[in-house]
Amino acid sequence: DAKTTQPPSMDCAEGRAANLPCNHSTISGNEYVYWYRQIHSQGPQYIIHGLKNNETNEMASLIITEDRKSSTLILPHATLRDTAVYYCIVRVAHAGNNRKLIWGLGTSLAVNP
Amino acid sequence: DGGITQSPKYLFRKEGQNVTLSCEQNLNHDAMYWYRQDPGQGLRLIYYSQIVNDFQKGDIAEGYSVSREKKESFPLTVTSAQKNPTAFYLCASMPGQANYGYTFGSGTRLTVV
Repeated sequence: DAKTTQPPSMDCAEGRAANLPCNHSTISGNEYVYWYRQIHSQGPQYIIHGLKNNETNEMASLIITEDRKSSTLILPHATLRDTAVYYCIVRVAHAGNNRKLIWGLGTSLAVNP
Repeated sequence: DGGITQSPKYLFRKEGQNVTLSCEQNLNHDAMYWYRQDPGQGLRLIYYSQIVNDFQKGDIAEGYSVSREKKESFPLTVTSAQKNPTAFYLCASMPGQANYGYTFGSGTRLTVV
């Protein structure tokens, strides 16, 4: 699976949109982009995933560039509870391919009052 | 509510002892995974199982063992052969349809004393 690159940290004001970038320039055509977040000392929480179209759910929006080499996770109105480490990973969509999943260090998002 | 339960939340082990971490899910998910997380590092895959009575080594399986006798349960044993067992251990599961995301447990923090 492709490797991803994320900024180590970001700040966002409460109530503003948080835009978290992810670079995955070596992504293959059959790899999905997944986003998770991890609040301190808890298990990661699934946020959203997509292949090439933009996606939106109750938690966030995912914007994938046309060449699929990068994506942005958007939290439209960040709250203090959104303070967490956000992970962007890419994986082939079949259950057997897990050995090469690369979880990087993610982006530590601090939402400030 | 459906979910994954890891127990205990905190575990202390003396050097040379084996210890078993519990992971139970009631989501009817086929696949289950064990990850290890160290401070300042991403998640690393220890073992995974796609069906009952079958499991595969991940990237850092040495010093660990697992079993999958029931669909709901995937316990991890940290043996005395694991030289640096102090870490945060995360269990996850996924349905058979592979393009769903992981559901993670809340983790077990193991400390060797």
